[in-house]
Amino acid sequence: AQSVSQHNHHVILSEAASLELGCNYSYGGTVNLFWYVQYPGQHLQLLLKYFSGDPLVKGIKGFEAEFIKSKFSFNLRKPSVQWSDTAEYFCAVNAGGGSQGNLIFGKGTKLSVKP
Amino acid sequence: ETGVTQTPRHLVMGMTNKKSLKCEQHLGHNAMYWYKQSAKKPLELMFVYNFKEQTENNSVPSRFSPECPNSSHLFLHLHTLQPEDSALYLCASSQDTGTPSTDTQYFGPGTRLTVL
Repeated sequence: AQSVSQHNHHVILSEAASLELGCNYSYGGTVNLFWYVQYPGQHLQLLLKYFSGDPLVKGIKGFEAEFIKSKFSFNLRKPSVQWSDTAEYFCAVNAGGGSQGNLIFGKGTKLSVKP
Repeated sequence: ETGVTQTPRHLVMGMTNKKSLKCEQHLGHNAMYWYKQSAKKPLELMFVYNFKEQTENNSVPSRFSPECPNSSHLFLHLHTLQPEDSALYLCASSQDTGTPSTDTQYFGPGTRLTVL
């Protein structure tokens, strides 16, 4: 069965530190990859997604993610975090050609940024 | 009101009660979804509707019964639930672009359900 692993449950950083959140998936075929974010008290919202082309994807608020097919990874990065980036981040995979909307989510990584 | 709304935001029910969760999307989308988020577990897809037709039932117990009367509204009818059904239930919608596996889903705030 497909699965998504987010290895860090809680990450604590100071402002201006660099961020990298890991995401690995288990599926050998074509995949579409997503990062969603949930700010405190708000809805889940899309941060960025990849389904073809340049494996380095840029999203909102200065976030980017790199798809490395050989490593089955889609890590999220930001060079310099801000206090407002405090949120929970979810990686998700949708196997291409699979059923509609069948997003498989990771358990999420909570990011706390200290001012 | 814009986006995806869900009511109620919080619900406490006994195991013999019957209740319904409501979701409404104001985005003109044609696909809607129910997800379950339990403590310390990933979001799990429950049901998918596309143009009011159910296209996915992810082996959900029959005590959960979805209803999609039109593309804007989605209900989840609950009856004889168990305490382990306590969770956050999220609704989402998307616009079917012809490549559903790449479509962005837009989520509502969720209903926090507690079953006593």
